[in-house]
Amino acid sequence: QKEVEQDPGPLSVPEGAIVSLNCTYSNSAFQYFMWYRQYSRKGPELLMYTYSSGNKEDGRFTAQVDKSSKYISLFIRDSQPSDSATYLCAMSELFGNKLVFGAGTILRVKS
Amino acid sequence: SAVISQKPSRDICQRGTSLTIQCQVDSQVTMMFWYRQQPGQSLTLIATANQGSEATYESGFVIDKFPISRPNLTFSTLTVSNMSPEDSSIYLCSVEPPSRDRGPAEINEQFFGPGTRLTVL
Repeated sequence: QKEVEQDPGPLSVPEGAIVSLNCTYSNSAFQYFMWYRQYSRKGPELLMYTYSSGNKEDGRFTAQVDKSSKYISLFIRDSQPSDSATYLCAMSELFGNKLVFGAGTILRVKS
Repeated sequence: SAVISQKPSRDICQRGTSLTIQCQVDSQVTMMFWYRQQPGQSLTLIATANQGSEATYESGFVIDKFPISRPNLTFSTLTVSNMSPEDSSIYLCSVEPPSRDRGPAEINEQFFGPGTRLTVL
């Protein structure tokens, strides 16, 4: 079993839709939960992160962590064609800097 | 933040040869990392390269196959040795800026280069 599972998609939605991206994990020691966005032929860029459980909102993006279920989500409201990219979840433990990534979900927002 | 460049951006190589990938950062960083991103697979850490010490390899990766150099605080190389088609992948370097005072709820963000797309025939 992989440490982090992520549905690879592709996920295709119309412009303006609400998008839900999800990851599950097995390592209960993970404390930091990150979402990276990767455009074609570019390196991943950190979109947002959450420490421990709870929600975090940043503009159209909301990250949720449910540690009891080992489940994290990223919601994108009012999705735009410019949101079309691969979204990678990543996690790390409290100490140390090793990131463990999901396989990434390809998102396509159609105008 | 940090601006990272990689060379080459892509290459097509023959089986049994070696390729050295360069990673250049616009600022001095202590921690540099090398990742592999295979089609449909997770971004996977190969090794951590700190200046002045031997690289630390993750399980499944060995120095003979992926030798790494870290001659200074702004540069590193990864060599993919004796390549086979299974080595076809995107190779990315990332850096972690010098640690600053931060609370436990904050992370020290890693910044990624654009990647090197390697195809082995």
